[in-house]
Amino acid sequence: AQKVTQAQTEISVVEKEDVTLDCVYETRDTTYYLFWYKQPPSGELVFLIRRNSFDEQNEISGRYSWNFQKSTSSFNFTITASQVVDSAVYFCALLTDSWGKLQFGAGTQVVVTP
Amino acid sequence: EAQVTQNPRYLITVTGKKLTVTCSQNMNHEYMSWYRQDPGLGLRQIYYSMNVEVTDKGDVPEGYKVSRKEKRNFPLILESPSPNQTSLYFCASSLGQGQGTQYFGPGTRLLVL
Repeated sequence: AQKVTQAQTEISVVEKEDVTLDCVYETRDTTYYLFWYKQPPSGELVFLIRRNSFDEQNEISGRYSWNFQKSTSSFNFTITASQVVDSAVYFCALLTDSWGKLQFGAGTQVVVTP
Repeated sequence: EAQVTQNPRYLITVTGKKLTVTCSQNMNHEYMSWYRQDPGLGLRQIYYSMNVEVTDKGDVPEGYKVSRKEKRNFPLILESPSPNQTSLYFCASSLGQGQGTQYFGPGTRLLVL
């Protein structure tokens, strides 16, 4: 079975603070893909980042960075120096070859106050 | 610009009145899918299509129909809408099933009275 757990329901930070979102996944597939999507108050789902199971290199893209650790089945996402525009719900999602569809976590609401 | 479009963005209708939500992508993607998002239930897949004329049920297909006559279009049909179909609907597309990133349309907010 595929499962994605985002234990944090809501995180509140003050602007310029860093915020880290946790994601833990379960799958028996050896090839899979992990994603982070952002859903701002306007409602659309915006693709942020994707990671393949065979590439554990962690990267930074602007203010976003992610930490993928297969040993702990975690795919955490960090926003550095948060801004008010980062206020949104963030979803972690898992895609496997055998499953074929995105399995979403419950989402984490991020609130950034000035 | 590469994108997935949906229409309408907002719709209020009454029980039993047939409606269609259109979805179109310009990325030549083979895989397309419909999701609904409900508070407390998250995002759930309704139907998906791996290519033209190939469609299959997702997790919550009851009350919905789809068709895939052209690669770029994947309309969602509610033959007889009911209030429990009030939801936020997303269309998505990707290169193939289990491949690539799924890109989402802007969403359609549906209210069935």
